[in-house]
Amino acid sequence: SQQGEEDPQALSIQEGENATMNCSYKTSINNLQWYRQNSGRGLVHLILIRSNEREKHSGRLRVTLDTSKKSSSLLITASRAADTASYFCATDALNQGGKLIFGQGTELSVKP
Amino acid sequence: GAVVSQHPSRVICKSGTSVKIECRSLDFQATTMFWYRQFPKKSLMLMATSNEGSKATYEQGVEKDKFLINHASLTLSTLTVTSAHPEDSSFYICSAREDTYGELFFGEGSRLTVL
Repeated sequence: SQQGEEDPQALSIQEGENATMNCSYKTSINNLQWYRQNSGRGLVHLILIRSNEREKHSGRLRVTLDTSKKSSSLLITASRAADTASYFCATDALNQGGKLIFGQGTELSVKP
Repeated sequence: GAVVSQHPSRVICKSGTSVKIECRSLDFQATTMFWYRQFPKKSLMLMATSNEGSKATYEQGVEKDKFLINHASLTLSTLTVTSAHPEDSSFYICSAREDTYGELFFGEGSRLTVL
């Protein structure tokens, strides 16, 4: 079954501000991944966080994972207009053969 | 990172015809490929898991006779939408990985419009 809820569904901020997106999931996982998608395009892998990790950084991205609450957050600091895109979390659940199940996504709009 | 190529990127067809979408791993051998479907402004819905040399495993609610998946080689999987109807219009995205828990690489997607 598909799983993963993200909030907010849409987020509009000004350039330079930080953007925080949250993801909740339902089952135990091997890892959780965040992806970005520009309109009508394929997916770009941003970051992977394993179930035994609590926080991970990559450039302006910071991801946290709380397995007790089955939730994750993606923080984009000092946002730019080019960060405008949809952001999805995806879970690699235990005993599911490595398939990724995607959350509903957050549509981020960064205004210059 | 590794490259996954999808073809065609856009296809328009008449209702009742069948359409084949190809997904190729260009610089690695993909033991597993996944097919997703995405409606406008919606998330990706997993349709099926395709393993080389064996039958695809379909997610609940996905018609296997409607969406035929073939993974005949380690670098190619195909999705055929049979007897397409307007409600099959969607964005189809494939992804591939080299081994069971390796990184998943995504194609650029194929936009199908059925008239």
